[in-house]
Amino acid sequence: DAGVTQSPTHLIKTRGQHVTLRCSPISGHKSVSWYQQVLGQGPQFIFQYYEKEERGRGNFPDRFSARQFPNYSSELNVNALLLGDSALYLCASRYSGGNYGYTFGSGTRLTVV
Amino acid sequence: DQQVKQNSPSLSVQEGRISILNCDYTNSMFDYFLWYKKYPAEGPTFLISISSIKDKNEDGRFTVFLNKSAKHLSLHIVPSQPGDSAVYFCAASDATSGTYKYIFGTGTRLKVLA
Repeated sequence: DAGVTQSPTHLIKTRGQHVTLRCSPISGHKSVSWYQQVLGQGPQFIFQYYEKEERGRGNFPDRFSARQFPNYSSELNVNALLLGDSALYLCASRYSGGNYGYTFGSGTRLTVV
Repeated sequence: DQQVKQNSPSLSVQEGRISILNCDYTNSMFDYFLWYKKYPAEGPTFLISISSIKDKNEDGRFTVFLNKSAKHLSLHIVPSQPGDSAVYFCAASDATSGTYKYIFGTGTRLKVLA
């Protein structure tokens, strides 16, 4: 079975640009979350979606937005990129019952120059 | 304000010995705790979890201990193997909040020496 897949794996953007990151959850997983991991830190929660509805939002500015599609895939959008947005962006999915743990993808490494 | 703290940024252990990774938390509403392992260029991999109604959970070589009064948990790896060398993250969640949001610590880099 395929795990959580994210695209692209690496991305370089210029300050002020917009970026869209994509995530496909494990088949059967309806809950998707996004995390940002800055070098030397643990992942920080950005959003959680379940059944296409936002269920949680972390302490990130409105420049960050996300959505979940009917097939449960998800997009994370970041507008007006800042240098500080450079990070590894992780998507995670989980089954709504059973094991509580999220399964993470390998992430998208975003560099803002 | 760091709600989940891993105060040891790194740890070196001889192969075959026990590795003990520690984690402290401040939010008394946390009721579910997890450990993740991360290799370079990969996403975190779920290792083991524990609910606040338990004080111990075992899975093979991995055991997690929870001390709610001290707001402390630890991960024991016995015996340690070179393949265990990775960064280990502790995470906590308030399952009653309705949001499956994890708060992660900053990680401990474990190096198992052959």
